[in-house]
Amino acid sequence: KNQVEQSPQSLIILEGKNCTLQCNYTVSPFSNLRWYKQDTGRGPVSLTIMIFSENTKSNGRYTATLDADTKQSSLHITASQLSDSASYICVVSARGSQGNLIFGKGTKLSVKP
Amino acid sequence: ETGVTQSPTHLIKTRGQQVTLRCSSQSGHNTVSWYQQALGQGPQFIFQYYREEENGRGNFPPRFSGLQFPNYSSELNVNALELDDSALYLCASSLRNDYGYTFGSGTRLTVV
Repeated sequence: KNQVEQSPQSLIILEGKNCTLQCNYTVSPFSNLRWYKQDTGRGPVSLTIMIFSENTKSNGRYTATLDADTKQSSLHITASQLSDSASYICVVSARGSQGNLIFGKGTKLSVKP
Repeated sequence: ETGVTQSPTHLIKTRGQQVTLRCSSQSGHNTVSWYQQALGQGPQFIFQYYREEENGRGNFPPRFSGLQFPNYSSELNVNALELDDSALYLCASSLRNDYGYTFGSGTRLTVV
């Protein structure tokens, strides 16, 4: 069964600190992996998209890694800001899935002053 | 370039009623996908439309149906509403076979 699991479920950090969120997946055949940021009650906003051959991709203070062999990804946030407080969702797409993105349940990040 | 617009933003319906949610896709996108996100959960794929035809469907009953119009906008219709249909409904547009999905802000549906 295609699944995406994320950890931790929630995380509280102080402003300015770094953090790393984890994603494990069992989606096959793999096409791509995305990280989204979702504010409460809002639609997800794309942070990074990675295909099989990509190991690392950065978007400002966000850096995603992908290990397609172990089927793991991480999202590293550097120098956190209060506005980083949101849910971060890992989404995996299978080849030929026609929109059937497999979403993780997300990691709820709270950045405190 | 306009993003994805969904309407209405919030809606309250009674069990057994029918509801129509609307989505305007991002300029230049020709594919629309719909997702249901229950509270505290990740979104679940409902279906995708391309060139006005259903192009893929998730594990949702037939009372969930949709339409796509020539301008690529889309509707999600849900008949015989159940309490468990209460959720945030997200629409995402993309180019066919492209990785870039742009999500709308969603419609919060509450069934009472």
